[in-house]
Amino acid sequence: DAKTTQPPSMDCAEGRAANLPCNHSTISGNEYVYWYRQIHSQGPQYIIHGLKNNETNEMASLIITEDRKSSTLILPHATLRDTAVYYCIVINTGTASKLTFGTGTRLQVTL
Amino acid sequence: DAGVIQSPRHEVTEMGQEVTLRCKPISGHNSLFWYRQTMMRGLELLIYFNNNVPIDDSGMPEDRFSAKMPNASFSTLKIQPSEPRDSAVYFCASSPDRARGDTQYFGPGTRLTVL
Repeated sequence: DAKTTQPPSMDCAEGRAANLPCNHSTISGNEYVYWYRQIHSQGPQYIIHGLKNNETNEMASLIITEDRKSSTLILPHATLRDTAVYYCIVINTGTASKLTFGTGTRLQVTL
Repeated sequence: DAGVIQSPRHEVTEMGQEVTLRCKPISGHNSLFWYRQTMMRGLELLIYFNNNVPIDDSGMPEDRFSAKMPNASFSTLKIQPSEPRDSAVYFCASSPDRARGDTQYFGPGTRLTVL
């Protein structure tokens, strides 16, 4: 599975959009981009995933560049409850189901 | 839906004792995963099952660790004998269908402290 690179931390004002970047320059054609987050003292929570098209659900939007070498998770109106560690994971769902969590981005939403 | 249920939520034991962690996956999910999280090593996959059969246990640290899934609604992770370095938060997760994707739903975790 392709490795990912994320900034270690980011800040965002409450009510503003949070844009979390992820680089995955070695991604292959059959690998998906998944995003999870972990709020303090809780289990990781699935957010969204995509292959090459942009995706949106009730939690967030995922923008994948045309060459698929990077992506951005967008939380359109961040709240204090969105403070968490966000993990970008690239995985081939046709083979193993192993999620390899890196160090992620610690997002701090402030008043 | 109650989500993934884990018990106990907290466990404090002494070195050398046997520890059993329990997990009830979401009904209808075919895959079950055990993870361990520590400050030093982050979140690591220990083992996963598909249709109650262990598929990959390469993450299990050593023979002191064992996991079973006797039926589709129950799994255990056992540590015998426990050691202080086993102190961590252990998460169980389940997934609807491994063949359709890897969206995993995590339980609240069991915080294990071995003295």
